[in-house]
Amino acid sequence: GAGVSQSPRYKVAKRGQDVALRCDPISGHVSLFWYQQALGQGPEFLTYFQNEAQLDKSGLPSDRFFAERPEGSVSTLKIQRTQQEDSAVYLCASSSSPGGDYEQYFGPGTRLTVT
Amino acid sequence: SQQGEEDPQALSIQEGENATMNCSYKTSINNLQWYRQNSGRGLVHLILIRSNEREKHSGRLRVTLDTSKKSSSLLITASRAADTASYFCATALSYNTDKLIFGTGTRLQVFP
Repeated sequence: GAGVSQSPRYKVAKRGQDVALRCDPISGHVSLFWYQQALGQGPEFLTYFQNEAQLDKSGLPSDRFFAERPEGSVSTLKIQRTQQEDSAVYLCASSSSPGGDYEQYFGPGTRLTVT
Repeated sequence: SQQGEEDPQALSIQEGENATMNCSYKTSINNLQWYRQNSGRGLVHLILIRSNEREKHSGRLRVTLDTSKKSSSLLITASRAADTASYFCATALSYNTDKLIFGTGTRLQVFP
């Protein structure tokens, strides 16, 4: 069956540009997570949705980061006025159960490079 | 900030040998999970162990959990070249299961 998909796979943005990263979770999964992974590091939590409700956004690094999941399915992570420190791989994951209580299925990630 | 630290940071072994990776964490957990990441790819879930469990097996994988020491280990037996990847432990905290907190990872290289 289809797994989690993300688009684009690669994005190059000039500093100051806005970007939008898309995540298509596994159909029917209630939980959706966004993580940021710097080179050589483990993923760091950004935000969590249960259906359309954003229950935890404690990991978003600044108010330039915004995520939404309006219909409880597809999610978009938007970064406004990108900075060089935003360069990273952005991973999306979904889970059939609420929260981190069960395994998460990860997409391939979007590699963002800010020049 | 990352809750877990893994040890060793890198490990090189020959095919057929066993590989052991350790994970230590700081705060009380609901569960601990291990994930594998091949170069440039997404993470793949390997195994989940709950705080009231001490050991779990899945194929060639064996995971132990010692909550008194706040540590876990992942053992891969009879390793194969295809096991070459980075391995991460991730914890769901007991007071907030909304997210997973990942460790720093162990990079495993298995030589044929």
